[in-house]
Amino acid sequence: DAGVIQSPRHEVTEMGQEVTLRCKPISGHNSLFWYRQTMMRGLELLIYFNNNVPIDDSGMPEDRFSAKMPNASFSTLKIQPSEPRDSAVYFCASSFYTGGPGELFFGEGSRLTVL
Amino acid sequence: GIQVEQSPPDLILQEGANSTLRCNFSDSVNNLQWFHQNPWGQLINLFYIPSGTKQNGRLSATTVATERYSLLYISSSQTTDSGVYFCAAHTGNQFYFGTGTSLTVIP
Repeated sequence: DAGVIQSPRHEVTEMGQEVTLRCKPISGHNSLFWYRQTMMRGLELLIYFNNNVPIDDSGMPEDRFSAKMPNASFSTLKIQPSEPRDSAVYFCASSFYTGGPGELFFGEGSRLTVL
Repeated sequence: GIQVEQSPPDLILQEGANSTLRCNFSDSVNNLQWFHQNPWGQLINLFYIPSGTKQNGRLSATTVATERYSLLYISSSQTTDSGVYFCAAHTGNQFYFGTGTSLTVIP
């Protein structure tokens, strides 16, 4: 079975540009998480969805960040406008929640560099 | 949320040595997982272990939920074991990650 699929794997952009990161969760999983990893702050939860509905977005840094999950097989994380401090690796992860947390699986991450 | 603490923060081993990594969590959890982040940045699932003991080859893990800790054992370490090991505890609606143990295995 395919794992969590993220694209792009690498993105280099200039400050002020819009960035869109994409994620396809594992088929059948109903929970999706976006994380950001930096050396300074480690792994931070940005937002998570359950059955395509955003449940907790308290980790989203500011209004420049937005996330959507239009259906069970696709999610996007958008940064507009991007800033150099947004440079990080962004991970998408999914699990199957059945009244309790199932095993969490990560994608390979999208490495974002904002110049 | 809960606090998840991992120790030691850094570890250097000679190839073939054994090691124990520890994960403490501050409250009851529904789930505990161990991940290995390899030098290429991939987060690899090692164990899904809310309680009890599991083994997979040279690796094993034990979670004692009542005492709020989990241990990851690596035996006969290999250079490919290098990387960062994270534990993640689930409670409420979230997974809470420790800051990791960075392991370097020297040939």
